[in-house]
Amino acid sequence: SAVISQKPSRDICQRGTSLTIQCQVDSQVTMMFWYRQQPGQSLTLIATANQGSEATYESGFVIDKFPISRPNLTFSTLTVSNMSPEDSSIYLCSVEGQGNNEQFFGPGTRLTVL
Amino acid sequence: QKEVEQNSGPLSVPEGAIASLNCTYSDRGSQSFFWYRQYSGKSPELIMFIYSNGDKEDGRFTAQLNKASQYVSLLIRDSQPSDSATYLCAVMMDSSYKLIFGSGTRLLVRP
Repeated sequence: SAVISQKPSRDICQRGTSLTIQCQVDSQVTMMFWYRQQPGQSLTLIATANQGSEATYESGFVIDKFPISRPNLTFSTLTVSNMSPEDSSIYLCSVEGQGNNEQFFGPGTRLTVL
Repeated sequence: QKEVEQNSGPLSVPEGAIASLNCTYSDRGSQSFFWYRQYSGKSPELIMFIYSNGDKEDGRFTAQLNKASQYVSLLIRDSQPSDSATYLCAVMMDSSYKLIFGSGTRLLVRP
């Protein structure tokens, strides 16, 4: 499976600021995904990021709050904008596997908003 | 009704026993089914995937799928304390690659 890295691994931010999370893959992938895992909860898909097109957002998530970039086939960023304490979560990127529909996850970014 | 349901547990089994983890899903058109293991503070790790009715075995793990009953399970044979983790069931409901996760079952394997 692909090797996925995320930066930063964790951060503590002030209310009203923004944080950009980076996801880097060691091989080219068509589809990348961004998930949120709130404390004690399961994973919720935020959006699907395909290279060369606008990200597709799930219900409850909007581009103004979570802008996403996908400049090439190995990299994506997720920005959490105008943060509030409710945005405190782990943010994970995932990538598609090699033909079996599976997804592999990066190590995650643990965000705390004060 | 939640789309993917799991018992939150904890499910406690003694070392060496078989752990049985269950998951039900609501969309009869679901195509692909996945089990992830998540250790505390870590990201989910893919254990198994299954597409067809029946059993699929990989080492100590067996995934079972019954599409008529909308039910998928994971059996862990010879459970080890290192298997203690939260197990997440995920369902892909169409060809969009979108995964819907259950809330996870916490497994505790007692030495």
